[in-house]
Amino acid sequence: SQQGEEDPQALSIQEGENATMNCSYKTSINNLQWYRQNSGRGLVHLILIRSNEREKHSGRLRVTLDTSKKSSSLLITASRAADTASYFCATGANDYKLSFGAGTTVTVRA
Amino acid sequence: DGGITQSPKYLFRKEGQNVTLSCEQNLNHDAMYWYRQDPGQGLRLIYYSQIVNDFQKGDIAEGYSVSREKKESFPLTVTSAQKNPTAFYLCASGLEGGKLPQHFGDGTRLSIL
Repeated sequence: SQQGEEDPQALSIQEGENATMNCSYKTSINNLQWYRQNSGRGLVHLILIRSNEREKHSGRLRVTLDTSKKSSSLLITASRAADTASYFCATGANDYKLSFGAGTTVTVRA
Repeated sequence: DGGITQSPKYLFRKEGQNVTLSCEQNLNHDAMYWYRQDPGQGLRLIYYSQIVNDFQKGDIAEGYSVSREKKESFPLTVTSAQKNPTAFYLCASGLEGGKLPQHFGDGTRLSIL
């Protein structure tokens, strides 16, 4: 079952601008992960934030997690054309499965 | 280089035919997964395997079958019982399931002839 829901479904920004997308989930989690998918390709892991963490950075990516609101956000700063992709959040619990949301499609215009 | 290889990239199925999608990994991961992705949607779990010779149904296992005879390999068979098989199929592997990142192959796109 899909637990995560991303918002917005689609986002179009100018190169150099920041992109923010949100993920909400329903049940308790061990961690929340963000993945990127380029058109016609597999998913690439971007960042993992554990349930006891509130913020994490990796290069131009910043992820926040608010377990009281059951939500997370992914911020991509100074976007580039190569950031054009779909972004998915996935929640992990204490079993062997990840539950993926439907994704946010980001288009970065030159 | 370590990674996951899915083949073929494109596959066509005739009515009443079973087809098998290949997934091989050299990452030495214990866990492997099959997901189905429909246009504009997220990933839905078909089957997963935590160790060799063991696998469990995911959320949409009907019409699919798997085997896990070797650590490196986790083939998926789409049977004729799967009435709507057209989709993008993704294989993944991981060390600790939901607690660590999963690594994905580049997918197989299956279409009906």
